[in-house]
Amino acid sequence: AQSVTQLDSQVPVFEEAPVELRCNYSSSVSVYLFWYVQYPNQGLQLLLKYLSGSTLVKGINGFEAEFNKSQTSFHLRKPSVHISDTAEYFCAVTRRGTGNQFYFGTGTSLTVIP
Amino acid sequence: DAGVIQSPRHEVTEMGQEVTLRCKPISGHDYLFWYRQTMMRGLELLIYFNNNVPIDDSGMPEDRFSAKMPNASFSTLKIQPSEPRDSAVYFCASSLVATEQFFGPGTRLTVL
Repeated sequence: AQSVTQLDSQVPVFEEAPVELRCNYSSSVSVYLFWYVQYPNQGLQLLLKYLSGSTLVKGINGFEAEFNKSQTSFHLRKPSVHISDTAEYFCAVTRRGTGNQFYFGTGTSLTVIP
Repeated sequence: DAGVIQSPRHEVTEMGQEVTLRCKPISGHDYLFWYRQTMMRGLELLIYFNNNVPIDDSGMPEDRFSAKMPNASFSTLKIQPSEPRDSAVYFCASSLVATEQFFGPGTRLTVL
């Protein structure tokens, strides 16, 4: 079975500072990896995804993530955050090739401080 | 495309009443998922369908919960009878392939 661990439940960061949100996964098979963002009172929106190829994935709003197979990690980064990045961020994994069931982490609440 | 549509957006009901949540997936998507989000338990998968057939309902909390998908463009999640601990935000999501799920805006359910 697949599982996802988001190591930080809350991350406060000052505006224009860099941020990293950590995600580790466990799986015995090849996977696809995702980061979703949830703004207050809204549904989840895809930020970026890793399917294959380059391990550095770029997404919307200046976010990027790096797939590290040896460390089973998929950390999300942004070099300079903005107030509007304040939101809940979810890491998710799904098994390649069979079914569409996603396994979500518990989420990381990012708060950008002016 | 209008995206995944959920109704109602907010529902307030009293304990013991029946609640029906509705979802219209993105046209052409053949997978549909129901999730529940609470502060305590985070995002939980309740059930998902493939081509209108329930594939995995192991996340449905108890027999008070039921879900149907009578056709490719409509699904319901029903709670009967409702209890205060069912208060949560319920999301519907759809997908075509295992490379992205598209989420609806959610239904915020409050059971008094």
